[in-house]
Amino acid sequence: DGGITQSPKYLFRKEGQNVTLSCEQNLNHDAMYWYRQDPGQGLRLIYYSQIVNDFQKGDIAEGYSVSREKKESFPLTVTSAQKNPTAFYLCASGPIGGYEKLFFGSGTQLSVL
Amino acid sequence: QKEVEQNSGPLSVPEGAIASLNCTYSDRGSQSFFWYRQYSGKSPELIMSIYSNGDKEDGRFTAQLNKASQYVSLLIRDSQPSDSATYLCAVRPSYGNNRLAFGKGNQVVVIP
Repeated sequence: DGGITQSPKYLFRKEGQNVTLSCEQNLNHDAMYWYRQDPGQGLRLIYYSQIVNDFQKGDIAEGYSVSREKKESFPLTVTSAQKNPTAFYLCASGPIGGYEKLFFGSGTQLSVL
Repeated sequence: QKEVEQNSGPLSVPEGAIASLNCTYSDRGSQSFFWYRQYSGKSPELIMSIYSNGDKEDGRFTAQLNKASQYVSLLIRDSQPSDSATYLCAVRPSYGNNRLAFGKGNQVVVIP
């Protein structure tokens, strides 16, 4: 089955620790995105990538880092510089094109210990 | 000014009634508009997309787009308890490299 796989489903971070969220897609999509969602809020864009080895900051990139070494993979690292990391993180992918929808993974809930 | 605004609070509707949700956007050059449904703790799923002015119907859902007034709406007819969810409006701005901008969502509660 084609789709987007995010792991882990739940993740706990200790103070001062970096953690990495995994996102893998087998839809052959060029573009991949990371969004953050806080309770009762919409999705805010962290980083996005339209091609391998290239990515751009979204609206709330501070405290996060990404890489795009393979078309299928777009991991997100939440660094210790992100002081309020507790949120629901969603990875999405889609074809390049103005009329195309996004496909979402099942999400990772990150909490601080 | 926010790119996408959904301002109304939680909406409670009796089962079988019509739920109406509204969304406004700031970029007049936007061409693609989407409604996603999100159940608590789950990822968003696309329920409607619309690109041209007017109405688009799909089952019990109708999306309406008015580019001159920069708003897009979603109607849910014959609301069912399974429609209880948060509905997110998403717009693809004409700038910004193909990303989607999302509103904060509207929670709908269908009362049996």
